[in-house]
Amino acid sequence: DVKVTQSSRYLVKRTGEKVFLECVQDMDHENMFWYRQDPGLGLRLIYFSYDVKMKEKGDIPEGYSVSREKKERFSLILESASTNQTSMYLCASARVTPGGEKLFFGSGTQLSVL
Amino acid sequence: DAKTTQPTSMDCAEGRAANLPCNHSTISGNEYVYWYRQIHSQGPQYIIHGLKNNETNEMASLIITEDRKSSTLILPHATLRDTAVYYCIALKAAGNKLTFGGGTRVLVKP
Repeated sequence: DVKVTQSSRYLVKRTGEKVFLECVQDMDHENMFWYRQDPGLGLRLIYFSYDVKMKEKGDIPEGYSVSREKKERFSLILESASTNQTSMYLCASARVTPGGEKLFFGSGTQLSVL
Repeated sequence: DAKTTQPTSMDCAEGRAANLPCNHSTISGNEYVYWYRQIHSQGPQYIIHGLKNNETNEMASLIITEDRKSSTLILPHATLRDTAVYYCIALKAAGNKLTFGGGTRVLVKP
């Protein structure tokens, strides 16, 4: 089975801290994604990457950056955490097929910024 | 990628078939219809996808209308564990932004 592992299930940080959320997949997938999920707002795409060192902005990239130095690892960085970044963060990976891409999600990281 | 429209919520009885509709009237010829579900406190899970033919797997069946403007996900014998939010997505090709709409909140009742 495909495994997408997010480094922490729960994380508490202070306003202004630099925060790293790590995601690792074990199936050699080309594409990786970061979403955040908030009550009433559904899943919103922050950034995605379709290759090592490549990144594309999603719908809400402001306040975030990403890093993909190795194929299996996709990191989300909050340069200076703010309280409005308190959210559930979900990472996903996908293999490219002729029929599009089937996403596999991690269990999520619930981040609280105080 | 085409926009999809789903009902906000629906209930169904345990043991009965659950039919979840999705409208994608602006879908283009090379866009696939994907379904995912998200059980509370978990990441979304892939269910099924199709282009124009009906599809079936161990989890569900997908019926796509001939004009491809709508589809229905069928859970043949709903169980309490099928209570989740179900997302329908029209996806053109890999490498694009893959965005989720609001989905349908399905509550399976005993």
